[in-house]
Amino acid sequence: DTGVSQNPRHKITKRGQNVTFRCDPISEHNRLYWYRQTLGQGPEFLTYFQNEAQLEKSRLLSDRFSAERPKGSFSTLEIQRTEQGDSAMYLCASSLARQDAEAFFGQGTRLTVV
Amino acid sequence: GESVGLHLPTLSVQEGDNSIINCAYSNSASDYFIWYKQESGKGPQFIIDIRSNMDKRQGQRVTVLLNKTVKHLSLQIAATQPGDSAVYFCAENTGFQKLVFGTGTRLLVSP
Repeated sequence: DTGVSQNPRHKITKRGQNVTFRCDPISEHNRLYWYRQTLGQGPEFLTYFQNEAQLEKSRLLSDRFSAERPKGSFSTLEIQRTEQGDSAMYLCASSLARQDAEAFFGQGTRLTVV
Repeated sequence: GESVGLHLPTLSVQEGDNSIINCAYSNSASDYFIWYKQESGKGPQFIIDIRSNMDKRQGQRVTVLLNKTVKHLSLQIAATQPGDSAVYFCAENTGFQKLVFGTGTRLLVSP
């Protein structure tokens, strides 16, 4: 399978715990994006990388959230001190670095904070 | 701020009918729109896109219409099939695939 891969698919955690998600993009894609989707809503942009550089962060990305893409390949999204409001689907997408390049989404990681 | 929204939360059609899903946007400077299909438990999947220099674009069984005067776009699906059942989002590409999504319309296709 050469699509965008996200792990884990599901994560249940207790409030206050830290969680980390991983995204493996399509191998030749140098852009990688993180989105968050709550039930019944469209995905909301969080941040994106070009290669290893994080180029933009949404104001939705509080200081409890950190994303990395250390070698310009896979990326991790960490949430510290999780809150119930963090419960959502976290989607990763990747694309080539062209204005009209299609973004391919992974299946997401569903986070439930109890 | 800019927003992309949908008129109807749920659309129910019979198999074989044509479906029309509508979307309104607020930023008159928006120039690149994409329709996505999202099936349960999956990420959004690209269907078709359109730029503001066009008012119509066709794909396989799908057509997107863009009316810049009223800031409205629609997705038409011909001969809707049960496999078309999903949530459909319009999204604005604000640059480098930074997407602003609408709320979504759930399409239910009954046999």
